[in-house]
Amino acid sequence: QKEVEQNSGPLSVPEGAIASLNCTYSDRGSQSFFWYRQYSGKSPELIMFIYSNGDKEDGRFTAQLNKASQYVSLLIRDSQPSDSATYLCAVRQGGKLIFGQGTELSVKP
Amino acid sequence: DAGVIQSPRHEVTEMGQEVTLRCKPISGHNSLFWYRQTMMRGLELLIYFNNNVPIDDSGMPEDRFSAKMPNASFSTLKIQPSEPRDSAVYFCASSDSGGLGEAFFGQGTRLTVV
Repeated sequence: QKEVEQNSGPLSVPEGAIASLNCTYSDRGSQSFFWYRQYSGKSPELIMFIYSNGDKEDGRFTAQLNKASQYVSLLIRDSQPSDSATYLCAVRQGGKLIFGQGTELSVKP
Repeated sequence: DAGVIQSPRHEVTEMGQEVTLRCKPISGHNSLFWYRQTMMRGLELLIYFNNNVPIDDSGMPEDRFSAKMPNASFSTLKIQPSEPRDSAVYFCASSDSGGLGEAFFGQGTRLTVV
């Protein structure tokens, strides 16, 4: 089992829809959780982080964490073509920061 | 702050040659990570340092790879000898203390070994 797993994608949604990205992790001792966005040919950039169970909202983005289920998700409301990118889930395990394979999101106009 | 700075941005080298990638972390950050990204394997953690000390190098693929952090503002990743399968984008990232902080990435070095 991989340490951090994500939907294989690609995920295609129409403009204005909600995009839902999911991630599971194997280490119950994981402490903090991050979502990064990576455009083609660019480096990953942080868009959200969450430490506690529940939801955290920032603009059109909502991160959800369920430690009992070892599950993290990212919702993007009112998806825009500019949201088209690969979304990487990352988990802090002690000092290490482990990434999933990423989910490619395509928002169609 | 200028962010994490990596050099070179692109490197093309012949098989068997030594390659050195460089990274300057964000000032004040005391954790530094080296990652390798390929289409097949995604973003793999190679090694990470805390306070200039290598903490976990279990991701380093083999003895051909080595990494150093001689001081808080500089790190290198060396491949000797390089092989075509080392071709990838190598990222350096840094984060602040506490073990929970987010990491910020450099622009990456695209390495091609021919």
